[in-house]
Amino acid sequence: DAKTTQPTSMDCAEGRAANLPCNHSTISGNEYVYWYRQIHSQGPQYIIHGLKNNETNEMASLIITEDRKSSTLILPHATLRDTAVYYCIVRVANNDYKLSFGAGTTVTVRA
Amino acid sequence: DAGVIQSPRHEVTEMGQEVTLRCKPISGHNSLFWYRQTMMRGLELLIYFNNNVPIDDSGMPEDRFSAKMPNASFSTLKIQPSEPRDSAVYFCASRPGQGNTGELFFGEGSRLTVL
Repeated sequence: DAKTTQPTSMDCAEGRAANLPCNHSTISGNEYVYWYRQIHSQGPQYIIHGLKNNETNEMASLIITEDRKSSTLILPHATLRDTAVYYCIVRVANNDYKLSFGAGTTVTVRA
Repeated sequence: DAGVIQSPRHEVTEMGQEVTLRCKPISGHNSLFWYRQTMMRGLELLIYFNNNVPIDDSGMPEDRFSAKMPNASFSTLKIQPSEPRDSAVYFCASRPGQGNTGELFFGEGSRLTVL
């Protein structure tokens, strides 16, 4: 399984963009990058995923570098409700059901 | 639409007692997962069902743990006998069929405390 490396924590100002980095230098060509978040006392919530192209949805944007060794999740206008632990996960190609959650990045949005 | 529903939300029990956690997946989803979350080990996959059949139970810690899925709308995770080290938040998640989306829908979790 490809491993991911994320900063332990980061702060962000409310209303500003939050850029969450993730390194996955050993990613294989057919492995996807997934992002989930977990707000305190809730279950994890899917945010977005991608293979090689940049992706955008109503929650966030995902920018994947051309060599696919790293990616950035962008929350365009962070709110206090975006305070959560954010997990960057690389999906094991041959075991499509396994999502291995690491320690994630604790993001604190401050007013 | 109702999400994944878990019960109980909180359970406090004494060591040696049997604990049963319940999960109702989202209607139409045919994959179901049980995860456990602790401070020390984070989120761990315990077992995965597809079409009510257990596919991978390699994450189940030991024989004290068992999981069943008698039908598409119900699953249980049982611990017998329970031990203090089983204290954790147990999450159930479901997914709509196989494929490459990988998006899991999680319930709110069941917080178990074993005294």
